[in-house]
Amino acid sequence: DAGITQSPRHKVTETGTPVTLRCHQTENHRYMYWYRQDPGHGLRLIHYSYGVKDTDKGEVSDGYSVSRSKTEDFLLTLESATSSQTSVYFCAISDVGGFVGNTEAFFGQGTRLTVV
Amino acid sequence: AQKITQTQPGMFVQEKEAVTLDCTYDTSDQSYGLFWYKQPSSGEMIFLIYQGSYDEQNATEGRYSLNFQKARKSANLVISASQLGDSAMYFCAMREGRGTDKLIFGTGTRLQVFP
Repeated sequence: DAGITQSPRHKVTETGTPVTLRCHQTENHRYMYWYRQDPGHGLRLIHYSYGVKDTDKGEVSDGYSVSRSKTEDFLLTLESATSSQTSVYFCAISDVGGFVGNTEAFFGQGTRLTVV
Repeated sequence: AQKITQTQPGMFVQEKEAVTLDCTYDTSDQSYGLFWYKQPSSGEMIFLIYQGSYDEQNATEGRYSLNFQKARKSANLVISASQLGDSAMYFCAMREGRGTDKLIFGTGTRLQVFP
């Protein structure tokens, strides 16, 4: 199994508080992704990183920020949590392939976040 | 813009029968990769199969095959000889080869296999 760990696995927080989720990998993979999963929406990309300090927005980035100061860690921050950010958050990692996209992404176990 | 569409929210199939899960995609890139993942009720994401945009033959992995029709921009997953353990959510995904390797997913199809 790919070495990818998400923390915390479960969190309940209050509206308006900042929250940081951590994704840690031991595979030295270049690419890292944060998704949220909600019923009927599948996995939606929040932010992704293609190298240290190289990040870009996904389709649902409003209210979220990320940082990647070293290869192994990709942090997702909810600046001021809202109830609409209650979701399951997945981190994924992927290596550079010999050809475009021919390496699969490996996923963490997910973080269940509840904003009350 | 990059987009993945799965139009079947749910599918039913009888055990031992084959089933096709639909996936269409949209991209302006010539170089991209297509993936299928399985998510059982336990929640983990399991990689099933990959197809590259320049691959001339359809990908196969055991009971899984990918019906790749590039002109139609479709990448349907075919599961042969369905098993009860195949009951799960299935996601189609696309990765663009622009160096950033943005990876996006469709909304998924819930497959239920009945005896």
